Amino acid sequence: DAGVIQSPRHEVTEMGQEVTLRCKPISGHDYLFWYRQTMMRGLELLIYFNNNVPIDDSGMPEDRFSAKMPNASFSTLKIQPSEPRDSAVYFCASSSSPPRVFFGEGSRLTVL
Amino acid sequence: AQSVSQHNHHVILSEAASLELGCNYSYGGTVNLFWYVQYPGQHLQLLLKYFSGDPLVKGIKGFEAEFIKSKFSFNLRKPSVQWSDTAEYFCAVSLSGNTPLVFGKGTRLSVIA
Repeated sequence: DAGVIQSPRHEVTEMGQEVTLRCKPISGHDYLFWYRQTMMRGLELLIYFNNNVPIDDSGMPEDRFSAKMPNASFSTLKIQPSEPRDSAVYFCASSSSPPRVFFGEGSRLTVL
Repeated sequence: AQSVSQHNHHVILSEAASLELGCNYSYGGTVNLFWYVQYPGQHLQLLLKYFSGDPLVKGIKGFEAEFIKSKFSFNLRKPSVQWSDTAEYFCAVSLSGNTPLVFGKGTRLSVIA
């Protein structure tokens, strides 16, 4: 199995630009999680889906952030417009039986 | 809301020293407990987990953790660290059932020769 696949691995963008992060969960997993990792706040859960339906998005920082899961094999996390304080590593994880989760390698975002 | 506290932000040890990283959680009900490791530039990997049974859990690479319910703690230990153990270590908790993990802020371990 290829594991959880995230893209891009690194992204550098300018303030105000739209950022789209992508995730392909492990086949057969029906839970998908988006986490954000920063030095100040550690690992925070942003949102998670079950069977493509958002279950809890209370961790999404503000309206500039949105996440979708149009099908069982793909999810996106979008930031529009991006700000420097959004700089972080964004991890996607998937599971067939939480809390046993498998993490992707992360997308490192730098907003200048 | 449940929370996870990791007491040490950065720990520096010499090779062969013993390691203990503290983790406390705030929830009083039935919990599942985890330790994850993140090597530099890599994703999180599961070190060990506790769901029920023997409170002393053995994981990979010689790590172990002890669940002490009365202290709401799940400290990570290793008798003799190696340079390759340099990484960030995260304690995580979830409630029973299909609930997401809540992570502590992590402890950075630096092992020097």
